[in-house]
Amino acid sequence: GAGVSQTPSNKVTEKGKYVELRCDPISGHTALYWYRQSLGQGPEFLIYFQGTGAADDSGLPNDRFFAVRPEGSVSTLKIQRTERGDSAVYLCASSSRDGSPLHFGNGTRLTVT
Amino acid sequence: AQSVTQPDIHITVSEGASLELRCNYSYGATPYLFWYVQSPGQGLQLLLKYFSGDTLVQGIKGFEAEFKRSQSSFNLRKPSVHWSDAAEYFCALMTTDSWGKLQFGAGTQVVVTP
Repeated sequence: GAGVSQTPSNKVTEKGKYVELRCDPISGHTALYWYRQSLGQGPEFLIYFQGTGAADDSGLPNDRFFAVRPEGSVSTLKIQRTERGDSAVYLCASSSRDGSPLHFGNGTRLTVT
Repeated sequence: AQSVTQPDIHITVSEGASLELRCNYSYGATPYLFWYVQSPGQGLQLLLKYFSGDTLVQGIKGFEAEFKRSQSSFNLRKPSVHWSDAAEYFCALMTTDSWGKLQFGAGTQVVVTP
């Protein structure tokens, strides 16, 4: 079946602009996660959704970052007033329930110029 | 706070030779431990995981890992590497009360030479 789908695969934006990154989880997966991977680093946790609600958003770096999952399926990560330091690969993952493995998408590479 | 350390940033190995990637963790109890592999432009693929029980864990693609509580380690091994094993490998930890919140190491880049 289809895996986790992330769009776009690449996004280039100018400093100060607003961006949205989309994640389509595996069908039926109730848990959804966003991670950020900077160059040369391992991924870092951003936020975790269980259904429609954010169960843990402790990894969001500041209030410029926001994520939604209004119908409990697709999620959008929103970044306001982008900064060059936001440049990274943003990874999305889903799982069917707590205790089951996370399935990662291929990520969105965000470049802020 | 918990942490994961992968001491080797880069390893070069000959095709057919054995491979061992080191992973050390810091956490006050026994965590859940994982190894992921990431090929260029690809997402993370789970190789294997340790939750409890047998400390030698078998994974996909011929990989295995051994959990050693006394050394706070979870090293990954493969007896004979193939050119397709060239990739970046990440060790990760998850605590028992925060499923999905993985703490990753910085990764080890594996290069396979003919």
